[in-house]
Amino acid sequence: DTGVSQDPRHKITKRGQNVTFRCDPISEHNRLYWYRQTLGQGPEFLTYFQNEAQLEKSRLLSDRFSAERPKGSFSTLEIQRTEQGDSAMYLCASSLSGGTAEAFFGQGTRLTVV
Amino acid sequence: GESVGLHLPTLSVQEGDNSIINCAYSNSASDYFIWYKQESGKGPQFIIDIRSNMDKRQGQRVTVLLNKTVKHLSLQIAATQPGDSAVYFCAEIKGTPLVFGKGTRLSVIA
Repeated sequence: DTGVSQDPRHKITKRGQNVTFRCDPISEHNRLYWYRQTLGQGPEFLTYFQNEAQLEKSRLLSDRFSAERPKGSFSTLEIQRTEQGDSAMYLCASSLSGGTAEAFFGQGTRLTVV
Repeated sequence: GESVGLHLPTLSVQEGDNSIINCAYSNSASDYFIWYKQESGKGPQFIIDIRSNMDKRQGQRVTVLLNKTVKHLSLQIAATQPGDSAVYFCAEIKGTPLVFGKGTRLSVIA
């Protein structure tokens, strides 16, 4: 257990539905990252926060995706009008800013869109 | 665009032997290189990192070598154990965030 928790672990949804995932980072970590991983591929960066500020978004993050970190602690990732191509593992990670490169990952939320 | 990639997608090693996993990168401006281990159904787990101004770094049973001349990174695992079976990713950082390669699956034969 890395200390980063994600909920739910698995989600099956019908195409067109909205889904929301939650990530609770390690409490003293001010950076929080969202990644997406499909089978056989490495994680792909989606977005990251420093405290409550969203500092960078990948062009992978279409306008159907939105992420928030309202109080600089937990974060949510929402996908609206899900598509089958959204099926993937969604990973959250946290780290301290500056210095160390070490980011701690959660177990991920596996999304299946049917 | 610049990217991190891997030479081999799979590697099978006899238990007790040493493993070497290779990675090529193209962004010579990266600050850090990191190796992650990912077991089935779990998130990536940090193994070891190396700053771009270093050539070698050792951890417990693992050594990372960085050859900036040929833009090559390797992870050496000594006395490979069944618990080392996983997918290994190299990743790089220039600023934020991490950029991952595709991964190498290491299978340890008992």
